[in-house]
Amino acid sequence: NAGVMQNPRHLVRRRGQEARLRCSPMKGHSHVYWYRQLPEEGLKFMVYLQKENIIDESGMPKERFSAEFPKEGPSILRIQQVVRGDSAAYFCASSPTGTEGNTIYFGEGSWLTVV
Amino acid sequence: SQQGEEDPQALSIQEGENATMNCSYKTSINNLQWYRQNSGRGLVHLILIRSNEREKHSGRLRVTLDTSKKSSSLLITASRAADTASYFCAAVYNFNKFYFGSGTKLNVKP
Repeated sequence: NAGVMQNPRHLVRRRGQEARLRCSPMKGHSHVYWYRQLPEEGLKFMVYLQKENIIDESGMPKERFSAEFPKEGPSILRIQQVVRGDSAAYFCASSPTGTEGNTIYFGEGSWLTVV
Repeated sequence: SQQGEEDPQALSIQEGENATMNCSYKTSINNLQWYRQNSGRGLVHLILIRSNEREKHSGRLRVTLDTSKKSSSLLITASRAADTASYFCAAVYNFNKFYFGSGTKLNVKP
């Protein structure tokens, strides 16, 4: 059973370009989470999605950031008009269920560098 | 903030010693989970303790939870150089909301 797959692992964008980060959850998982980690810091919650639904986007910046988890295909985190402050590691995690004992499983992350 | 907050921020010990990390949170939780992150990698789940549990063991790991103080501790016994990593606690609300702290960076010297 493959784990959570994220791509690309490393992405370099110039200021003003768009960044698209993809996440394929573990097989059978219908819940996806996106977190951002700045160097030497913890993970900041961004958004929680189920298939075709955004459940909680309280951690998402109001502008330039969007996320989706379509019925078919991976979840996408999209950052428009990137700025240097967007440089960070973006982690996706997935879980099978929202019930007690739920554990989330992380991908290896996508490292975005804005130059 | 609903996030878990760990202390210390950094801990350096000799191989064979025990390492203790603490975590505090702000509001009632469903459970609290500890994760480990090696440099440049994703987080790996270590152990989960439910809100009605006080202590849990898994191999060399021992986790305690004090809901009256809204705090948890992770003890790694007989540490090894391979335990060198960052350790994060996640306070879990509504079963689906995971809030992570800034982590404790553990360095185990051989």
